[in-house]
Amino acid sequence: GAVVSQHPSWVICKSGTSVKIECRSLDFQATTMFWYRQFPKQSLMLMATSNEGSKATYEQGVEKDKFLINHASLTLSTLTVTSAHPEDSSFYICSAGGTGRQFFGPGTRLTVL
Amino acid sequence: SQQGEEDPQALSIQEGENATMNCSYKTSINNLQWYRQNSGRGLVHLILIRSNEREKHSGRLRVTLDTSKKSSSLLITASRAADTASYFCATGGGSNYKLTFGKGTLLTVNP
Repeated sequence: GAVVSQHPSWVICKSGTSVKIECRSLDFQATTMFWYRQFPKQSLMLMATSNEGSKATYEQGVEKDKFLINHASLTLSTLTVTSAHPEDSSFYICSAGGTGRQFFGPGTRLTVL
Repeated sequence: SQQGEEDPQALSIQEGENATMNCSYKTSINNLQWYRQNSGRGLVHLILIRSNEREKHSGRLRVTLDTSKKSSSLLITASRAADTASYFCATGGGSNYKLTFGKGTLLTVNP
């Protein structure tokens, strides 16, 4: 089946620093990738839709200058949390559009101190 | 905004019992999907049911869809402790379209 990886699986950083999270489709090409955020005991909320070779589409309320998304190839999308603050601490999950449906990565746990 | 609303929010049962979770949604759909998430982990795709289907089975899972009521149910039969997880319904999706998730049901299966 289609496999999506995320790196790192967890990261702890200091407030004010930037963190980059990678999402890779390992055995298929994905024109579209999605980034979700999940706070503890809550559901997944879509942050943005990442299209290869074009600008990402952000959901209402998500700051595009804070959450930078780059989808430079058909197998890699990156999410950079700039100037991270403790309220950005969350579980970030990506998905990649495959044949007929999306395939999810294992998630990245971000903790901002 | 949340498209799906699951109920109950939490469900605790004994091993061997059946677990039923419900999901309601607001807009018309092409399909509805159910996912499982173990604590702190990624999502596992369980089953997809299309809008022209009423019922679908996969192993111990049974999903129903009632488009007239805009609702779906997930039944897990003969539950096991390993079924303990959060279960989410989601609408939308496909290769290029975003998924909208419900709030989820936290299922606890006690040994």
